[in-house]
Amino acid sequence: AQSVTQLDSHVSVSEGTPVLLRCNYSSSYSPSLFWYVQHPNKGLQLLLKYTSAATLVKGINGFEAEFKKSETSFHLTKPSAHMSDAAEYFCVVVRGATNKLIFGTGTLLAVQP
Amino acid sequence: EAGVAQSPRYKIIEKRQSVAFWCNPISGHATLYWYQQILGQGPKLLIQFQNNGVVDDSQLPKDRFSAERLKGVDSTLKIQPAKLEDSAVYLCASSPGTGNSGTQYFGPGTRLLVL
Repeated sequence: AQSVTQLDSHVSVSEGTPVLLRCNYSSSYSPSLFWYVQHPNKGLQLLLKYTSAATLVKGINGFEAEFKKSETSFHLTKPSAHMSDAAEYFCVVVRGATNKLIFGTGTLLAVQP
Repeated sequence: EAGVAQSPRYKIIEKRQSVAFWCNPISGHATLYWYQQILGQGPKLLIQFQNNGVVDDSQLPKDRFSAERLKGVDSTLKIQPAKLEDSAVYLCASSPGTGNSGTQYFGPGTRLLVL
């Protein structure tokens, strides 16, 4: 069965420095993978998605992720963190034909001034 | 375009009481989802509707939870009786269909505290 593992529960960076949020996946076939972001008291928002096209996926707000089959990873990166990036980030795999989302446990990103 | 609406935003009840949550999906979206998000965890799917039919309710604790989407638009999720472990954020989401696009649109959630 498909699953995702987020390797860090908390990440803290300084404003202007790079962001790396790590996600490994487990799937018996080529998965569809996503990153969602959840700001405090707001709904979850799709950041980006990989659906077997280009392995480097660009999303909103300068985020991108690279699908690496050899490493079973789908890490989220951003060259320069902004204060507004502080939020919780979820790596997600889609299971089955019914669009069922399987969420990781989340990574809380803190951005220090 | 209006987003997914949920009410109430917050609810505090005592254990063994009942509670109901309401969701209005994005207009025209055939698929509606209810998730439970316990503090420190990712959201977990409780039930998925396609129009007014249930597609997946395998994770719904049916002895106390129920959900309906009678006219294929709005939906309600009910808990009766509530337990302490039901304290969580209940998220509603919708999507145009069940195709493998993974894009779901989430509401702001209802935060439930059971005392």
